[in-house]
Amino acid sequence: DIQMTQSPSTLSASVGDRVTITCRASQSISSWLAWYQQKPGKAPKLLIYKVSSLESGVPSRFSGSGSGTEFTLTISSLQPDDFATYYCQQYNTYFGQGTRLEIK
Amino acid sequence: EVQLVESGGGLVQPGGSLRLSCAASGFTFSSYWMSWVRQAPGKGLEWVANIKEDGSEKYYVDSVKGRFTISRDNAKNSLYLQMNSLRAEDTALYYCASSPHYWGQGTLVIVSS
Repeated sequence: DIQMTQSPSTLSASVGDRVTITCRASQSISSWLAWYQQKPGKAPKLLIYKVSSLESGVPSRFSGSGSGTEFTLTISSLQPDDFATYYCQQYNTYFGQGTRLEIK
Repeated sequence: EVQLVESGGGLVQPGGSLRLSCAASGFTFSSYWMSWVRQAPGKGLEWVANIKEDGSEKYYVDSVKGRFTISRDNAKNSLYLQMNSLRAEDTALYYCASSPHYWGQGTLVIVSS
């Protein structure tokens, strides 16, 4: 089974900061990787699909990159609405354990 | 508009059974892999099971193998999860999804005596 490992588990940052979250797969997953944002009591919201494609309506400060087994989600300039938990997922299977982005 | 609407959750005793359903609309259901994802209170997202477009392949997370069965009815645009031998650790909000784009709002399963 493929394991997805996210880091860090918690990230403290300030409005305006640039932040990066990493997701590593235990074996190659090609380009079948998505990133989600989740806020308490809400379903996950798709941000990025196929490693780097921005979902419609998602601000351009979000971007994704990587290939094979290592992937990153970058937020170029944090906004107050971005403080949430982020997950990577190989399509229709395993998730990373999540990264909680909190206000410093 | 794409909709995935889950139903069938509730309170069940340990060892009991529940059948979750997911009604899909707004997209060609029969053309997509589907999955169930759960989230225990205060915990992260956990993939539970998935099923191929025609139902010919099914996969499960180890913790539910032999207890849960995923199925689909493409004629009814519906996805199901039969959950048997339920345990307290199965308590969670269960989402129907065709990741990455389509997600339901979830149905809550509580396993408790």
